[in-house]
Order: sequence, then structure tokens, then C-alpha cells
Amino acid sequence: KAGVTQTPRYLIKTRGQQVTLSCSPISGHRSVSWYQQTPGQGLQFLFEYFSETQRNKGNFPGRFSGRQFSNSRSEMNVSTLELGDSALYLCASSSKPSGTLEAFFGQGTRLTVV
Amino acid sequence: EDQVTQSPEALRLQEGESSSLNCSYTVSGLRGLFWYRQDPGKGPEFLFTLYSAGEEKEKERLKATLTKKESFLHITAPKPEDSATYLCAVQAVIQGAQKLVFGQGTRLTINP
Repeated sequence: KAGVTQTPRYLIKTRGQQVTLSCSPISGHRSVSWYQQTPGQGLQFLFEYFSETQRNKGNFPGRFSGRQFSNSRSEMNVSTLELGDSALYLCASSSKPSGTLEAFFGQGTRLTVV
Repeated sequence: EDQVTQSPEALRLQEGESSSLNCSYTVSGLRGLFWYRQDPGKGPEFLFTLYSAGEEKEKERLKATLTKKESFLHITAPKPEDSATYLCAVQAVIQGAQKLVFGQGTRLTINP
């Protein structure tokens, strides 16, 4: 059974640019959550999608957005990148919403903003 | 404010030296507590879920326990391959929505 797949693994972007990250959940999982991980703040919740609907949202600015497709794949977009957006972005999938059961994480996308 | 605090921040042990990691939480509406292991440059790997005080789960050298205010991850006779960051997360109802709140993690190093 394939795990959670995130692409790309690494990205380098310039301040002011925008970026789109992709996440393919485990087959059959309909919940996808996104997290930002930095050394100073740890893992912080961005948002969760279940069956193409955003169910929960963390305390991040509107520059961070996402969507989920009918095949449960999800994308996260960050516009007008800032240096502080450099982080490991993690996606987690679960068969039920809001982590009612254990969530399985992908390897992450390492974003560096220069 | 809902919080999850892990201690210690870092722990260095000799191979075979047993110890415990702590996760204390102050959240209302606790729905579950999760333990994850994270290796450098990788995503967290699920270890355990605990739902109610008194519950215990075991996997190889790891044992997780839960009380009303904290959870412990006991590691017995650890090996160097147990070196990793261990993350605790609490599923709680925050402002009417269920969310996972993570602690900062404990960085565990096992010396051979």
C-alpha cells in the first residue's frame, strides 16, 4: 500500500513569488491536513480538507490557501512568499476527518525562500 | 490557551539505559493523544493513539501511558536506532472544531 506522497521534495523560491505544493494521500483516505514545521515553532496546523471541503483552518494569513480534488489529492498554495515561509511543509492523510484516527504523514516538501 | 508541552527538550542516553519522555497538556475536550517518531528530514511516523486515562499501548521497546493531564513514553533498553525526535499531539475541540495540537518534541539520542 503506497504511503502519502508529497511533491516536490525540495523547492527554492525568491521572495514575492508564489508556490504550489502537492499531496497524494493514501488510497481510500479522504482527509488531508497540511502542517508547517520550523525549528522555532514546531509543527503548526495550516488546514484540513475532507471530501473537497475545508473543514478546519489554522492561524495563518490568507496567503496560505489550499484545495482538494475529487480524487482526494490536495494542493497547497503560498502567494507572495516571505523569508519566514521557509519551512518543511507536511501533509497527512487519514480515513476520517480531523484526525479521529491516526494520521499518516508524507516526507514533506522543504521550501527555502531566498 | 490549549497547550501541549513536552519534556525534556533533548535527552541523551547510553544504549540499554531506560527512561521516560513526558507530554503534558492543557486542552479542553480531549479526544485523543498521539505519539509520533520523526527522523531528520522525514515526516512523522505514527506510533500510538491513546484515548482515555489509564490506557497503555506497547510496541517493541516503547510503552505509552495516559493520565488526565499527561502522557509518558517509556523506552526500555533503547538501541541507537531509537534515536529520533518524539512528538506528542493532542486531538481536541478548539473553537468548535477538532484539531491536532503538537508539542515541540523531545530529541532522543542513544549512544552505543
